[in-house]
Amino acid sequence: GQNIDQPTEMTATEGAIVQINCTYQTSGFNGLFWYQQHAGEAPTFLSYNVLDGLEEKGRFSSFLSRSKGYSYLLLKELQMKDSASYLCAVRDGTAGANNLFFGTGTRLTVIP
Amino acid sequence: ETGVTQSPTHLIKTRGQQVTLRCSSQSGHNTVSWYQQALGQGPQFIFQYYREEENGRGNFPPRFSGLQFPNYSSELNVNALELDDSALYLCASSLARGQGARNYGYTFGSGTRLTVV
Repeated sequence: GQNIDQPTEMTATEGAIVQINCTYQTSGFNGLFWYQQHAGEAPTFLSYNVLDGLEEKGRFSSFLSRSKGYSYLLLKELQMKDSASYLCAVRDGTAGANNLFFGTGTRLTVIP
Repeated sequence: ETGVTQSPTHLIKTRGQQVTLRCSSQSGHNTVSWYQQALGQGPQFIFQYYREEENGRGNFPPRFSGLQFPNYSSELNVNALELDDSALYLCASSLARGQGARNYGYTFGSGTRLTVV
């Protein structure tokens, strides 16, 4: 099975940097995704890691350590519009199925 | 390139009834996954369809069933609705492993908000 943990809520100040952590356990790891989801809307893709290391994409970066079952999403220069839920998702490649499993999501509130 | 389309957007059903939700996959995608998202929770994997067959299933009872059609669109059927089935149901399309881009990206629809009363 899969076990994906991330903090439920975080608060950060506009202009600051915030790091959202995610730990996971899965038998057939085949990549880790981060999604952003505003209330009542569809998740939108932010980043993807399958090898260890840091992937940078503008204000967003994501890190993966497969040996530790650990990832984080780093958001820089926070803006009010970054207030949303951030979902960590692990793809399980067991039997070639490549099913995607989500954590509970971290609700980030950006304050002035 | 069209995205993922789900219908209807909102639905109210009575406990014990049956419901069918529909999803049209993104152009070029051949795999569809369905998720249930309760308020304040992350999406929970229901099942995935590839080549018109179920290709992985989460921890959901048999009253949750699905179909995929030759044009890769999909349906989610839920029988004997319960109050706890009230949720946002999300559909995501993708390319199956080995057939696409490095990250086999998933594209999500805007979901169907189901309320069971």
